[in-house]
Amino acid sequence: TQLLEQSPQFLSIQEGENLTVYCNSSSVFSSLQWYRQEPGEGPVLLVTVVTGGEVKKLKRLTFQFGDARKDSSLHITAAQPGDTGLYLCAGARSNDYKLSFGAGTTVTVRA
Amino acid sequence: GAVVSQHPSRVICKSGTSVKIECRSLDFQATTMFWYRQFPKQSLMLMATSNEGSKATYEQGVEKDKFLINHASLTLSTLTVTSAHPEDSSFYICSAREGAGGETQYFGPGTRLLVL
Repeated sequence: TQLLEQSPQFLSIQEGENLTVYCNSSSVFSSLQWYRQEPGEGPVLLVTVVTGGEVKKLKRLTFQFGDARKDSSLHITAAQPGDTGLYLCAGARSNDYKLSFGAGTTVTVRA
Repeated sequence: GAVVSQHPSRVICKSGTSVKIECRSLDFQATTMFWYRQFPKQSLMLMATSNEGSKATYEQGVEKDKFLINHASLTLSTLTVTSAHPEDSSFYICSAREGAGGETQYFGPGTRLLVL
């Protein structure tokens, strides 16, 4: 059983559409990180959120951390083909700094 | 900043041989490094946590004699897959955490291991 439930597993949309990926848990995390991974490469950090209720924006990407620090979402506005990839959320618990990963969401943006 | 490298990027070996993978933090000191493996279409699974100068801590189900980890300095950790078998074929990824209480992990580019 994964500590972080990520949904949806797959998402295929047309260029210009919006999308949201969700990451939920019954556990509290001291921080939550979002990564994007391309085939054959390591995950690339997009953002780290640490404060309950925090909202961070990175160009067309908006990240939210739930008030209780148990869930998070990633919203992409006006998706582009370059946004295609595997999106991973990962939560850290401050006692050991280990990351628990969600199962990942494969996003495909069609031109 | 916060660049992590891995070497080699790809390795093909015969069954029974040992393979060493290096993980380096290039522009920061990493008090802790982590080793993951990732199967196709799946997420990352933590194998072990490596602290500089001490023994690695392995996750449940990971054989410590099979996957030897050495964290000899604040910028280098190595993973040796001993007597590799085809079922060890996978994508191995390391990450490094900066010291001073930072929780963010920076990942290396991964090493694709294929055991024939």
